[in-house]
Amino acid sequence: NAGVTQTPKFQVLKTGQSMTLQCAQDMNHNSMYWYRQDPGMGLRLIYYSASEGTTDKGEVPNGYNVSRLNKREFSLRLESAAPSQTSVYFCASSEIEMNTVAFFGQGTRLTVV
Amino acid sequence: RKEVEQDPGPFNVPEGATVAFNCTYSNSASQSFFWYRQDCRKEPKLLMSVYSSGNEDGRFTAQLNRASQYISLLIRDSKLSDSATYLCVVTIKGYGQNFVFGPGTRLSVLP
Repeated sequence: NAGVTQTPKFQVLKTGQSMTLQCAQDMNHNSMYWYRQDPGMGLRLIYYSASEGTTDKGEVPNGYNVSRLNKREFSLRLESAAPSQTSVYFCASSEIEMNTVAFFGQGTRLTVV
Repeated sequence: RKEVEQDPGPFNVPEGATVAFNCTYSNSASQSFFWYRQDCRKEPKLLMSVYSSGNEDGRFTAQLNRASQYISLLIRDSKLSDSATYLCVVTIKGYGQNFVFGPGTRLSVLP
């Protein structure tokens, strides 16, 4: 019953440090997503991968890079963290067809000081 | 204009009350519609899909009006456990789905 697993759950970074958020899903989904959630802003799409081998920018991609390592794994990298990247990050996955549902990981709470 | 708009609330209602949430979306190419529930400091979870004919799941009823680009969620006989933020979600046609989330409506059910 793992579904979508994200690591780490919590992280504090200093400005300028780098880190990679890991995400893995065991539902054999083709599509994977990274969102950030800020108070009053709702979930905003950072990057998505419609299928293995493809990645595309979402609404707020600046300051982030992604890698679709294989069908299961989709990582998000912050090369030089900034305080504006303090947020809760959610990974999600879904099938590629329309009318299917997105399933979310438990989230990563990131603070950049 | 945001693609998906919701009244942020909070809606404070007594147990047993009926409460309705509304959502509007701007992209007429939107194809799929959902309500998700998010508890405090947790991930969003699917509450129900929304179909053009309307659909019901126990105490929850969802309606879609494509002409007005409007989605609603009705909760009857509210329980304390219904307290959460309710997210309206639409998908936009493209290669793979693109889920667009509203900012959410916060509900507090009071004893």
